Amino acid sequence: NAGVMQNPRHLVRRRGQEARLRCSPMKGHSHVYWYRQLPEEGLKFMVYLQKENIIDESGMPKERFSAEFPKEGPSILRIQQVVRGDSAAYFCASSPPYQETQYFGPGTRLLVL
Amino acid sequence: DAKTTQPTSMDCAEGRAANLPCNHSTISGNEYVYWYRQIHSQGPQYIIHGLKNNETNEMASLIITEDRKSSTLILPHATLRDTAVYYCIVRLPGAAGNKLTFGGGTRVLVKP
Repeated sequence: NAGVMQNPRHLVRRRGQEARLRCSPMKGHSHVYWYRQLPEEGLKFMVYLQKENIIDESGMPKERFSAEFPKEGPSILRIQQVVRGDSAAYFCASSPPYQETQYFGPGTRLLVL
Repeated sequence: DAKTTQPTSMDCAEGRAANLPCNHSTISGNEYVYWYRQIHSQGPQYIIHGLKNNETNEMASLIITEDRKSSTLILPHATLRDTAVYYCIVRLPGAAGNKLTFGGGTRVLVKP
């Protein structure tokens, strides 16, 4: 059973561009979580999604950030009009229904120039 | 979720047991204790979790005190690959515990 997949692993964007980060959960997992780790800081929860639903987005910045988990395909974290402060590692985790342990992917490292 | 307190860093010798303490004195009766670790530049890795009883798996053992105010993660035979930041997290079960709140963790350096 493959683990959580994230791509791209590294992404470079210029200020003002859009960044799209993809997360494919483990097989059988219908819950996805996104976390952000700023340089030299701890991981911070951003958003929790189930298929086609956002359950908790209390950690998402109010502007420019959005997330989705469609019925088919990976979960997408979208950052519009990126700024240098968005440079960070973005980690996705998944868990199966009725089981709460979250398993993390390798992360996407976003660098905004 | 209850707050946890961990030492900032600790060293241990390769081949010896590493005992990582965690204080969670405000833990409530239905909160679980979870341990994750993050090896440099990688995603967090689940290690073990427990509620009241001690737990053991292929990676580690978790010892929770009877009053549940503290716990210890034991890596029985530390290797150089165990060098990582270890996070102790207390969380509620169910949807209420969907956020993992990571603190500063303990930076463990395993030395030859």
